[in-house]
Amino acid sequence: QVQLQESGPGLVKPSETLSLTCSVSGASMTTSHWSWIRQPPGKGLEWIASIYNPETTFYNPSLKSRVRLSVDTSKKQFSLNLISVTAVDTAVYFCARRAAAFDYWGQGILVTISS
Amino acid sequence: DIQMTQSPSTLSASIGDRVTITCRASQTIGTWLAWYQQKPGKAPKLLIYMASILQNGVPSRFRGSGAGTEFTLTISSLQPDDFATYYCQLYESSSETFGQGTKVEMK
Repeated sequence: QVQLQESGPGLVKPSETLSLTCSVSGASMTTSHWSWIRQPPGKGLEWIASIYNPETTFYNPSLKSRVRLSVDTSKKQFSLNLISVTAVDTAVYFCARRAAAFDYWGQGILVTISS
Repeated sequence: DIQMTQSPSTLSASIGDRVTITCRASQTIGTWLAWYQQKPGKAPKLLIYMASILQNGVPSRFRGSGAGTEFTLTISSLQPDDFATYYCQLYESSSETFGQGTKVEMK
């Protein structure tokens, strides 16, 4: 059974870097693709970025200049770094497996951008 | 960029009703279309991919159809567990675009 779990700080100061990690179980890191999606409070879903095996990345053009993804196959984790955050980056951040669309999701983590 | 537009934004329905949600793409996307169900405080759940293929474990009352630019999600007989928000999504590696969502609420 594939399971994903997000972890990281729930509060980040403006202009700092949001860093989140997704831990994966029940799936191969090297034969699956991995993504981050976010959802501002009360709003819809926004794709952030995806990383395809081995290390091809795709970014939402609106976020590309501020986003970096990485994978640590030995730890079965992949990570998101979003730099220079502002209040508009406040959202629930989900990690997901990208197979036939996004077939497995983490439960999500609320990250608030505030001083 | 391809835009995905859902209609309606909100839909009021009763148990047993047939419910239809439409998703339109601003350009043709073949059948690279998925549907998700999301309940408050939960992650989205994949219902349908490739426009019409039911994800494992999803009840058969859910049906997806369409190709090109117009797609529909139909719930044949609305059940209590189906009150939720539904999203369509273009899934293409460099352009994973969601519709704005359709909330199905109780009439």
